[in-house]
Amino acid sequence: AQTVTQSQPEMSVQEAETVTLSCTYDTSESDYYLFWYKQPPSRQMILVIRQEAYKQQNATENRFSVNFQKAAKSFSLKISDSQLGDAAMYFCAYRKIAAGNKLTFGGGTRVLVKP
Amino acid sequence: DSGVTQTPKHLITATGQRVTLRCSPRSGDLSVYWYQQSLDQGLQFLIQYYNGEERAKGNILERFSAQQFPDLHSELNLSSLELGDSALYFCASSGIAGFTDTQYFGPGTRLTVL
Repeated sequence: AQTVTQSQPEMSVQEAETVTLSCTYDTSESDYYLFWYKQPPSRQMILVIRQEAYKQQNATENRFSVNFQKAAKSFSLKISDSQLGDAAMYFCAYRKIAAGNKLTFGGGTRVLVKP
Repeated sequence: DSGVTQTPKHLITATGQRVTLRCSPRSGDLSVYWYQQSLDQGLQFLIQYYNGEERAKGNILERFSAQQFPDLHSELNLSSLELGDSALYFCASSGIAGFTDTQYFGPGTRLTVL
């Protein structure tokens, strides 16, 4: 079974600085998707970024970028120029590439942004 | 706004009772997923429906059941409720293709069992 591990329960960052969240996963599949979801205090789950395993290029969405290391099964999220609105729980998630597969989530990392 | 709606937002009930949570997927999405988020278990997949048919089951208790209707909305039924069922229940939907589609989440229903 696939597992996703986020080893950092909480990270703190100064406003305008950069923070990197770690995620490792275990799978025997060669093709899959990886995601980062943000959950602010409102509890809504918001997609931040998505990475296809067959793509070597790391995904980027504005201030959010990932470092995808397939051989190491590592998928970290970098938040640049952190803003107060970035304060939230961040969940790493894995999904097999077949149709309609479930998401398997990590335990989450809480990001605190200091003004 | 993801386009996925869930009702009610909050639900408070007593042990032993039965409740129904409702989800309307994004326009055009055929797949609906249900997830449970609790403090001790984290985010867990419960069940998936695709165009009215059950597609996959996760860690869903026998006391829980779900269905997807012809208009593609879905309902999650929780019965004989226990204190441990208190959690945030999310519905997510994804598109027709399924293979590449991202799941978009609704705002969740917070269930409190007293």
